[in-house]
Amino acid sequence: QKEVEQDPGPLSVPEGAIVSLNCTYSNSAFQYFMWYRQYSRKGPELLMYTYSSGNKEDGRFTAQVDKSSKYISLFIRDSQPSDSATYLCAMSTTYGNNRLAFGKGNQVVVIP
Amino acid sequence: DVKVTQSSRYLVKRTGEKVFLECVQDMDHENMFWYRQDPGLGLRLIYFSYDVKMKEKGDIPEGYSVSREKKERFSLILESASTNQTSMYLCASSSPLRGYTFGSGTRLTVV
Repeated sequence: QKEVEQDPGPLSVPEGAIVSLNCTYSNSAFQYFMWYRQYSRKGPELLMYTYSSGNKEDGRFTAQVDKSSKYISLFIRDSQPSDSATYLCAMSTTYGNNRLAFGKGNQVVVIP
Repeated sequence: DVKVTQSSRYLVKRTGEKVFLECVQDMDHENMFWYRQDPGLGLRLIYFSYDVKMKEKGDIPEGYSVSREKKERFSLILESASTNQTSMYLCASSSPLRGYTFGSGTRLTVV
């Protein structure tokens, strides 16, 4: 079983729709959970990070962590064409001081 | 803002060549990483370093080596490039305070 599972299937949504992405993981020692956004031909950039279980909101983005189910989610409300990118989940046992375990990423296309 | 700079955006090399990929960060981060990214496989860790002159193997170190002679610079070396090393290479640095920052990547093609 891979440490982090993220269904890599592409996702196409109309502008204004809610985008829902998720990852599951197997290592219960993970404490820090991150979502990265990667535009074409660019490196990943940190979108949000969450410590332990709970929700975190930043504008149109909401990250959720359910450690009991080993499941994390990212929601994008009122999606915009500029949200078209690949979204990668990542997690670690410590923050910034250890290697990251990544999901494979979801390519999201928001259609105007 | 932390900057992680990779020296080349695109590289084309011949099979058997020795290839150097350079990465420099400007925020005095202790930790530096090299990943490769391939369609359907995601990001895979090649090597990482927690300090100058220290290195640790990641998940796919075969065919690669690294060098960290100065804190700000982490080099990835392909001793004898092969076509299966054609990929996007991403460097990252991190610290407990600032988390992880990635460079823009080097797209390497080995012909």
